[in-house]
Amino acid sequence: AQSVAQPEDQVNVAEGNPLTVKCTYSVSGNPYLFWYVQYPNRGLQFLLKYITGDNLVKGSYGFEAEFNKSQTSFHLKKPSALVSDSALYFCAVHSGYALNFGKGTSLLVTP
Amino acid sequence: GAVVSQHPSRVICKSGTSVKIECRSLDFQATTMFWYRQFPKQSLMLMATSNEGSKATYEQGVEKDKFLINHASLTLSTLTVTSAHPEDSSFYICSARDYRDWVGAYEQYFGPGTRLTVT
Repeated sequence: AQSVAQPEDQVNVAEGNPLTVKCTYSVSGNPYLFWYVQYPNRGLQFLLKYITGDNLVKGSYGFEAEFNKSQTSFHLKKPSALVSDSALYFCAVHSGYALNFGKGTSLLVTP
Repeated sequence: GAVVSQHPSRVICKSGTSVKIECRSLDFQATTMFWYRQFPKQSLMLMATSNEGSKATYEQGVEKDKFLINHASLTLSTLTVTSAHPEDSSFYICSARDYRDWVGAYEQYFGPGTRLTVT
């Protein structure tokens, strides 16, 4: 089964510092990986995806993620965090017909 | 960009009644729509896959007779929670795939969600 794991329930970072939200995957075949962000009582907003090509993927709002096949990871990163980045972040993998989501990581950026 | 809407955004109903939630793709046609359920501070759980013009495919453990899904057109899918009970209270989110997307894109566009509270 295609699955992702987000090992951290919460990540705290000070504004202006770099942030990393971790995701590891377990798939058979080529992984199609996604990051989404969810603000309170809202749906999911797409940040970025890895399908093929360059391992470093750049997405919306200054986020990027690096696909690492040897470590089976797809960590989300941003060089300088903003308070407005505080939200719930989901990593997802395409299962063949739908998306399977990780449990989510709550990111809190403090001023 | 592709926009998906849901209506209503919030609904409160009494136990035993039925509630219908609409999911619309506003600027694209969606041959496939998905319905997810999310409990507080938890991940999204796929409930069913809805294909236009055919029966929905439900995930294991999801009651077909309780969560009725209709995908009558390329822009509309509905989820009806029948005989709702307090344990059905949740955040329901739909998503859609644009039929023009390259098959490898695998991208889904999400609606804003519907908060259902059953009293």
